[in-house]
Amino acid sequence: ILNVEQSPQSLHVQEGDSTNFTCSFPSSNFYALHWYRWETAKSPEALFVMTLNGDEKKKGRISATLNTKEGYSYLYIKGSQPEDSATYLCAAPFFNKFYFGSGTKLNVKP
Amino acid sequence: EAQVTQNPRYLITVTGKKLTVTCSQNMNHEYMSWYRQDPGLGLRQIYYSMNVEVTDKGDVPEGYKVSRKEKRNFPLILESPSPNQTSLYFCASSRTLGTGGMEQFFGPGTRLTVL
Repeated sequence: ILNVEQSPQSLHVQEGDSTNFTCSFPSSNFYALHWYRWETAKSPEALFVMTLNGDEKKKGRISATLNTKEGYSYLYIKGSQPEDSATYLCAAPFFNKFYFGSGTKLNVKP
Repeated sequence: EAQVTQNPRYLITVTGKKLTVTCSQNMNHEYMSWYRQDPGLGLRQIYYSMNVEVTDKGDVPEGYKVSRKEKRNFPLILESPSPNQTSLYFCASSRTLGTGGMEQFFGPGTRLTVL
C-alpha cells in the first residue's frame, strides 16, 4: 500500500484569493503523480500528470509543481473563482495500482 | 465522443441479491479500473485490468468480482452484496502517455445502496 496524503482537508477562500494545497507521497519507487479536479455530482477529471522531478505544469490559473526527491507536489490556484470550487485529488501509481489521497475540498465564496 | 459509460447510475438493492454494474469505454484503452469512494477515504481501487483476460486485485477487492472478456467492457460483480458495500463506484479507463504515467478517464459513477 502506498500512503498518499493531502492537506488541508478543506479550504474556504474568497473570490480573488490565491491558494495552494499539498500532496505528499513516498519518494522511493516514484513513477508519476496525478492531479484531478472533482466537482460535486460529476466524475473526476484529469488536470495534470507529472513524472519528472522539478516538473511544472500549468492550465489557465491552475499550476502544479513536483518534488520527487522529498515526495511532494503543490497545486496552486491563482485568483480563485467560484467555479474553482471542487475537490482536488492527487494519485500515485505503484506497481500498476493507483493510490489516491483523500482530497482537498475547496470552497470559493463570491 | 470519447467516453466511459456506467450502468446503472443509481441502484438500491437488498443484502444478498447478486448485481452487476456495467462499464464500457470506446477509446480502445487497455487499462481499466474500478474504484469506490467513501466519505473521508478518497478513491480506493477495487480491481484493475491491464488487458483482455488480465485482471488483478486493487486495494479493496473483498466481496467483488470482475471480468474482462472484451477490451471495451469491464463489469463489476457483487455476488452477495452487503450494507458495507453501499458506496459511490467509478469505473475508469486509462491511456499511457508518451512521457510516462497514465491519463485516467472516469465514468459518471454509480451510487449503490445495499439495504
